Amino acid sequence: DTGVSQNPRHKITKRGQNVTFRCDPISEHNRLYWYRQTLGQGPEFLTYFQNEAQLEKSRLLSDRFSAERPKGSFSTLEIQRTEQGDSAMYLCASSLFAGGDEKLFFGSGTQLSVL
Amino acid sequence: LAKTTQPISMDSYEGQEVNITCSHNNIATNDYITWYQQFPSQGPRFIIQGYKTKVTNEVASLFIPADRKSSTLSLPRVSLSDTAVYYCLVGETDSWGKLQFGAGTQVVVTP
Repeated sequence: DTGVSQNPRHKITKRGQNVTFRCDPISEHNRLYWYRQTLGQGPEFLTYFQNEAQLEKSRLLSDRFSAERPKGSFSTLEIQRTEQGDSAMYLCASSLFAGGDEKLFFGSGTQLSVL
Repeated sequence: LAKTTQPISMDSYEGQEVNITCSHNNIATNDYITWYQQFPSQGPRFIIQGYKTKVTNEVASLFIPADRKSSTLSLPRVSLSDTAVYYCLVGETDSWGKLQFGAGTQVVVTP
C-alpha cells in the first residue's frame, strides 16, 4: 500500500507525558499537513509543510505542539506535557502540489487518549 | 476562505440518489470546490472537485451553478457502504491548502 501511513494507530498516555506521532506521506508528495479531529467535528488544521519547510501553523496551536519534516520526507508531531483536552484523532495528509487545485490524501490517523 | 454551510444529516434508502447541497456565498473567483467522504476511524477521502458547471467521475457528480454560491454533490444509487460524513470545502487555487472542514453532513443509508 502506497498511501499515507500513520503510526501508532492508537496512543494512550497519562496527563503530563510527552507523545510523538509519525506520518509517512505518499512518496514524492511535496506537501504534508497535520489536522486534529474530535468526535462529531470536522478536521481542524494544525500545520503544514512544503518539502521540509513548515510554512503555516494554526494560531490556535499551543506551544506544546511541535512538528518537523526533516529532509522533506516523513513528519513527526510531538505534544509535550499532554493535557486531557489533547485527546483527539490526529490526521496527516499529503499532496503533490504543482499549482492549480489541490487534492489531499489522508492517513487513518492516530487516536490519542490522555488519561 | 469562503465559509461553507451544509445540512447536518440526511437519510436515504439503498438504491436512491442522494443530493447534498452546500452553500458558499462568499466564494472568490479563484476558489474551487472539493468534497471529501469520511468513514468512522478513518481519514477523509477525496471524492470530487470542480470549479464550475458539472463534474462527473466514477463515484459522484458535482453540480455548480453559474453564480457558484452553492454546489450539489450527487451520489447515484447509494448503498449501505455510502453511509459516511461528507464534507464540502472551498479552497483557493494556486494557494496552500488550508482547507477548512466544517462539521459535514452525516448520510445514513438504510435497506
